[in-house]
Amino acid sequence: EAGVAQSPRYKIIEKRQSVAFWCNPISGHATLYWYQQILGQGPKLLIQFQNNGVVDDSQLPKDRFSAERLKGVDSTLKIQPAKLEDSAVYLCASSLVPEFNEQYFGPGTRLTVT
Amino acid sequence: GESVGLHLPTLSVQEGDNSIINCAYSNSASDYFIWYKQESGKGPQFIIDIRSNMDKRQGQRVTVLLNKTVKHLSLQIAATQPGDSAVYFCADPTLRTGGKLIFGQGTELSVKP
Repeated sequence: EAGVAQSPRYKIIEKRQSVAFWCNPISGHATLYWYQQILGQGPKLLIQFQNNGVVDDSQLPKDRFSAERLKGVDSTLKIQPAKLEDSAVYLCASSLVPEFNEQYFGPGTRLTVT
Repeated sequence: GESVGLHLPTLSVQEGDNSIINCAYSNSASDYFIWYKQESGKGPQFIIDIRSNMDKRQGQRVTVLLNKTVKHLSLQIAATQPGDSAVYFCADPTLRTGGKLIFGQGTELSVKP
């Protein structure tokens, strides 16, 4: 079974630029999550989708972050404009059902904002 | 606010020794905990979970102990191997309404050959 795919794996941008990350979940997984992991910390949930609907985006900085999952499969996370403090690893995870021990994580995208 | 966190940011053990990683939580209503392992350059991977109606749960070379009296849980790894080197997180899904998965800061385990 293929795992969660993410691209790009690394991205370096200057502050105030825009960036987008892509996630392809495990086939058939209805629930998709985006997490932000700052160096030395645990992952923090940004947004959770159930199919193509948003379940929870309470911790998403909506003035600069946006995410979509239009067809209920792939998802993109965008930052516009980026700030220095956005430097982090952005993890995508998916699950067949929204049970916590069933979340499968992708390798993440490491973003560096200079 | 409520929190979950590990006691030590780093732990170094000799290959073959047992490792113990500790985690404390503050929410007395917490009833479910998960341990994750995150290797360098990878996303977290589920190791083992435990519900509050249990004091102990065993997996393959791993054991989780839960002490509800002092709000403490630990992850024990038997016969630690180089492949166990990673950052370990405890997570409490019950910290927020809806049970969002909240991670602690993590303990980095280094295994010396």
